[in-house]
Amino acid sequence: GAVVSQHPSWVICKSGTSVKIECRSLDFQATTMFWYRQFPKQSLMLMATSNEGSKATYEQGVEKDKFLINHASLTLSTLTVTSAHPEDSSFYICSAVRDTYQPQHFGDGTRLSIL
Amino acid sequence: AQTVTQSQPEMSVQEAETVTLSCTYDTSESDYYLFWYKQPPSRQMILVIRQEAYKQQNATENRFSVNFQKAAKSFSLKISDSQLGDAAMYFCAFFASNTGKLIFGQGTTLQVKP
Repeated sequence: GAVVSQHPSWVICKSGTSVKIECRSLDFQATTMFWYRQFPKQSLMLMATSNEGSKATYEQGVEKDKFLINHASLTLSTLTVTSAHPEDSSFYICSAVRDTYQPQHFGDGTRLSIL
Repeated sequence: AQTVTQSQPEMSVQEAETVTLSCTYDTSESDYYLFWYKQPPSRQMILVIRQEAYKQQNATENRFSVNFQKAAKSFSLKISDSQLGDAAMYFCAFFASNTGKLIFGQGTTLQVKP
């Protein structure tokens, strides 16, 4: 089956630092990758859609300068939380698709804790 | 805009019994897909079942089946012979081809009692 790897799985860092999260499709080429944010016991909220070689499309209310997304290749997308603060603490999940009509394959998520 | 509603925040079922999780959605699109995802405590998102809107036949995957009522915009999940491993948060999700985005419901936490 399609495997999506997300790294790191858990990161703790000080307020003001930047944190990069990687999302890799291991056995397929992903035309599109998605980044979600999930608070405890809540649903997944789409943050942005990332297509290889083009700028990410952000959902309304998501700060582009705070959450930098780069989709440099068909197998790798990165989310960088810049100048992170405690309110950025959350669970971040990526997903990837081969093409529009295929189900999204999810990474295992990254728990981000900002002290 | 599309919306997905799961009106049951929590459900409970006895092991080996059957439980049904509800989901309704709203859309004006004709080309879409519906999904149920399972999120256990590990927080991994696991695809349980998928339904194409153009198919009248309800999807089934082993102990999991759906009741897809297109006119009523309802998409419920039935879990038969519930097992302890079924305990998780379940999300109903809507995918419209024109947006390429997955819209999730609020989720239902399922408890399975031994």
